[in-house]
Amino acid sequence: GAVVSQHPSRVICKSGTSVKIECRSLDFQATTMFWYRQFPKQSLMLMATSNEGSKATYEQGVEKDKFLINHASLTLSTLTVTSAHPEDSSFYICSARHPGQVNQPQHFGDGTRLSIL
Amino acid sequence: AQSVTQPDIHITVSEGASLELRCNYSYGATPYLFWYVQSPGQGLQLLLKYFSGDTLVQGIKGFEAEFKRSQSSFNLRKPSVHWSDAAEYFCAVVSYGGSQGNLIFGKGTKLSVKP
Repeated sequence: GAVVSQHPSRVICKSGTSVKIECRSLDFQATTMFWYRQFPKQSLMLMATSNEGSKATYEQGVEKDKFLINHASLTLSTLTVTSAHPEDSSFYICSARHPGQVNQPQHFGDGTRLSIL
Repeated sequence: AQSVTQPDIHITVSEGASLELRCNYSYGATPYLFWYVQSPGQGLQLLLKYFSGDTLVQGIKGFEAEFKRSQSSFNLRKPSVHWSDAAEYFCAVVSYGGSQGNLIFGKGTKLSVKP
């Protein structure tokens, strides 16, 4: 069964709306979660690393005021796309890694398809 | 900088035929390597991983991969493909540029299966 739950799976909303995406680790405590963005027919690009109890680490070129990340508990990280515009339309995927060594595999959510009209 | 290359964007094989998906990485030391599969509109499922030890690793769904340091490769194989294997396949390596071990992905190989 799924170890990482992502919700919602699909969002369609108007330009200017803020959208929150939740990522839950179901059967282990994830001190680190990752948020990726995937454009059509392309690979996953890391947006940010979410750390429980501290600020997220954003990749170069990702606006932290645009993509707000909160990791308030060991099982939940949220990504809020603020004042979304059509160019933010994409497939967003989160992942969680078992605590410990960095070589532990990441478990991925099923993704959120965000469409901004 | 670390990178992962998947040379084949799209591969089509007949059902029952063997499959090999290529993956090359760039990293000086021993990398931590993964293969993931993604069905349309879905997240990624881990197929297998390589950290150390035996260079031939077995994964789920009948997949295996072989780590070859001399060729900087980690190719994915399956002896007999099933129609349900049609999906996008991503090779990934743990990044040591960042401090928390995020993954660097190849661009993916789309697998189509002919009946």
